Amino acid sequence: DQQVKQNSPSLSVQEGRISILNCDYTNSMFDYFLWYKKYPAEGPTFLISISSIKDKNEDGRFTVFLNKSAKHLSLHIVPSQPGDSAVYFCAASAQGGSEKLVFGKGTKLTVNP
Amino acid sequence: EAGVAQSPRYKIIEKRQSVAFWCNPISGHATLYWYQQILGQGPKLLIQFQNNGVVDDSQLPKDRFSAERLKGVDSTLKIQPAKLEDSAVYLCASSFLFDGTDTQYFGPGTRLTVL
Repeated sequence: DQQVKQNSPSLSVQEGRISILNCDYTNSMFDYFLWYKKYPAEGPTFLISISSIKDKNEDGRFTVFLNKSAKHLSLHIVPSQPGDSAVYFCAASAQGGSEKLVFGKGTKLTVNP
Repeated sequence: EAGVAQSPRYKIIEKRQSVAFWCNPISGHATLYWYQQILGQGPKLLIQFQNNGVVDDSQLPKDRFSAERLKGVDSTLKIQPAKLEDSAVYLCASSFLFDGTDTQYFGPGTRLTVL
């Protein structure tokens, strides 16, 4: 039973354009959500998070949007840069983040120069 | 600040053999995690330590996997005997807070291939 779903295995965008990565979850107990970025042969790196009390969180070029009623979140990267090319994992947790992280399968983003 | 260290980076073994992985978390981090990432999947938590006590090992296959955190610092994860389906990247992560609610920092992982 996959509680966190990233339905797009890959995404390709042009440099300077917007990248939108999507994530859906099924467990209504999840109240804390994170995005991690992973380069080949490296461990995942924390990118940005959002609590369920908010519907948007922004950090530089990265913005995460949360739609609780739809159980959907998205990561926007504007503008996209070639260095953003990586696998992006969506993760969710309950109890304000104190419960274990449940990860999606990831979306491979390729930003073309 | 040094990151999470893991060794070895790669390991190839035959099925039914045993293998051990080592993790050195970021200094001062109270919480340590071991994850299994099978190709094409996201990381899955195997075990979580707070200092040297186990918080969550609900997804650890205890008939063949074991883990310990020595003196609340380094940790080892052991598989004995290994099966083909254990082929994966084993990631270690650590976080500063005792309750694990802050950012998890991941090591580079150990890629295990079971033949």
